[in-house]
Amino acid sequence: DTEVTQTPKHLVMGMTNKKSLKCEQHMGHRAMYWYKQKAKKPPELMFVYSYEKLSINESVPSRFSPECPNSSLLNLHLHALQPEDSALYLCASSQAGTVAGNTIYFGEGSWLTVV
Amino acid sequence: DQQVKQNSPSLSVQEGRISILNCDYTNSMFDYFLWYKKYPAEGPTFLISISSIKDKNEDGRFTVFLNKSAKHLSLHIVPSQPGDSAVYFCAAIDGGGYNKLIFGAGTRLAVHP
Repeated sequence: DTEVTQTPKHLVMGMTNKKSLKCEQHMGHRAMYWYKQKAKKPPELMFVYSYEKLSINESVPSRFSPECPNSSLLNLHLHALQPEDSALYLCASSQAGTVAGNTIYFGEGSWLTVV
Repeated sequence: DQQVKQNSPSLSVQEGRISILNCDYTNSMFDYFLWYKKYPAEGPTFLISISSIKDKNEDGRFTVFLNKSAKHLSLHIVPSQPGDSAVYFCAAIDGGGYNKLIFGAGTRLAVHP
């Protein structure tokens, strides 16, 4: 089973709303990631969690707040977003560390539209 | 500064022929490379990977070749099938302990009957 599950699949939110994206994996992976993908662009890394601790924040605005409650779950809390934040948000997971042979598995993504 | 480059935005191939997708990188510290396939409105699906200690890895119809001296890798799909039509992303692992994945811009492959 190489499944990363993301909910919701689609989300429309106003600029004053607070919402969350959720991600779950049961592969025993201890590294989890949030990526953002705009149309016709490659995915761009936002955050990396390793052993439930935030390891990388790619200078993401504070209106995006990640949370890793346990080794299987990853959330992305959204608040006061802008229309330009509308994108496909991808969660991914892998074994922790840079052992050659690590594969990073992606979820289906959550389509976010900010109105 | 684009560290992973896919210079062909699109490729059209006839069914049954070979598809060759190319990727170049600039960072000699990259030691692990992956290819992903992506359909619209879906997340990237892992296809095949290669470690820098190898020059070839094969999995069914998919073969990835790595030329470290040229900092170039390629994905061969043979025979190509219409279901292979998708965007293919080349990606490299940036070390430092956190598996930071750097993507190329992608190549859209169209396999026509």
